Amino acid sequence: DTAVSQTPKYLVTQMGNDKSIKCEQNLGHDTMYWYKQDSKKFLKIMFSYNNKELIINETVPNRFSPKSPDKAHLNLHINSLELGDSAVYFCASSPGGGFDTQYFGPGTRLTVL
Amino acid sequence: AQSVTQLDSQVPVFEEAPVELRCNYSSSVSVYLFWYVQYPNQGLQLLLKYLSGSTLVKGINGFEAEFNKSQTSFHLRKPSVHISDTAEYFCAVNQQGAQKLVFGQGTRLTINP
Repeated sequence: DTAVSQTPKYLVTQMGNDKSIKCEQNLGHDTMYWYKQDSKKFLKIMFSYNNKELIINETVPNRFSPKSPDKAHLNLHINSLELGDSAVYFCASSPGGGFDTQYFGPGTRLTVL
Repeated sequence: AQSVTQLDSQVPVFEEAPVELRCNYSSSVSVYLFWYVQYPNQGLQLLLKYLSGSTLVKGINGFEAEFNKSQTSFHLRKPSVHISDTAEYFCAVNQQGAQKLVFGQGTRLTINP
């Protein structure tokens, strides 16, 4: 009964490759997010979608492209991976925004070699 | 723009001792305040949040936090910690009317037996 799930859990790849991370929530929430957590544990929002529409794009490089096929899914595609993309990526969801609690997935650890 | 400062990157305490994790924020408008916990190799989960009303907020696992508007602080406390409280703790702020959580740098709480 996982509320927010991500696949894969670990991703190891070479520089220059293209990869995708998938996220699904079964909470019926309208809003989904992608966060990046760097090696110092600093957590920063990348994107936010509300009902399949992009509402936040935090000056993330164009190589990162989120896609929301429906409001239960928010996938993250990364083109031309760079060493600096190595991080843990978290998906989250919330009923709306603002004061709502966000529910986080278990994370995807991306390592770019 | 809002920002969050967690004043201690690491806090070691002995089991059953009290603990306080400090958080200060800056914002020109009213905010919602959150504390999230990240156990090793897991996603974040909500400990507690302040939206309005009573400045003392109680959360899960015996934690509480006090909102102090004049000092722009939202410190987290627990009167007696357990080994299982070992985790990374994140303070976060969401400006009212915005859709974006801004996180502090995190505080690693380590409990020694």
